[in-house]
Amino acid sequence: NAGVMQNPRHLVRRRGQEARLRCSPMKGHSHVYWYRQLPEEGLKFMVYLQKENIIDESGMPKERFSAEFPKEGPSILRIQQVVRGDSAAYFCASCRNRGHDEKLFFGSGTQLSVL
Amino acid sequence: GENVEQHPSTLSVQEGDSAVIKCTYSDSASNYFPWYKQELGKRPQLIIDIRSNVGEKKDQRIAVTLNKTAKHFSLHITETQPEDSAVYFCAARFGNEKLTFGTGTRLTIIP
Repeated sequence: NAGVMQNPRHLVRRRGQEARLRCSPMKGHSHVYWYRQLPEEGLKFMVYLQKENIIDESGMPKERFSAEFPKEGPSILRIQQVVRGDSAAYFCASCRNRGHDEKLFFGSGTQLSVL
Repeated sequence: GENVEQHPSTLSVQEGDSAVIKCTYSDSASNYFPWYKQELGKRPQLIIDIRSNVGEKKDQRIAVTLNKTAKHFSLHITETQPEDSAVYFCAARFGNEKLTFGTGTRLTIIP
């Protein structure tokens, strides 16, 4: 089991460009979470998805950010027209089902740097 | 929504001594409390978790205690070793919803 796979590991974008972050959950997992982490800070929830369905996007900025988890393929976090404040580590995590004690496993993250 | 507070933000202990990190949560219906360890530049890794129907859980040198009445839970690391140095995050989940994380504790083990 390869675990949660995220790519790219590092992504550099200029202001105004688009950033696409990919996440493949662990085998057998159908639920994906995205978290953002600023240096020396905690993990801030962004969005929770099940295949083809957004369950909770309460942590996602209303503009420029979107997420999807299609029936086939990885989950994508998309940031349009990036600004310097978007620079952060973005972590994806997956779990098997939607249950109160389901364990959450994290990927290695994508470090986004906006120039 | 759920709010999780974590203390202290930094903690230094002598190698071999014990370390204790404490968290409080706001939603009394929260029912799952995991702890994650994050080394520099690495992913958060689950080290131990506890459900709300259990008061204490132990795994070798690591233990977690839960006080539902007071709405707080703690991580205890005994006989600390240099490799325990990392940032530790507590988290809480209400129902089937998202995990809400504390702000983290940077633990430094002094050789």
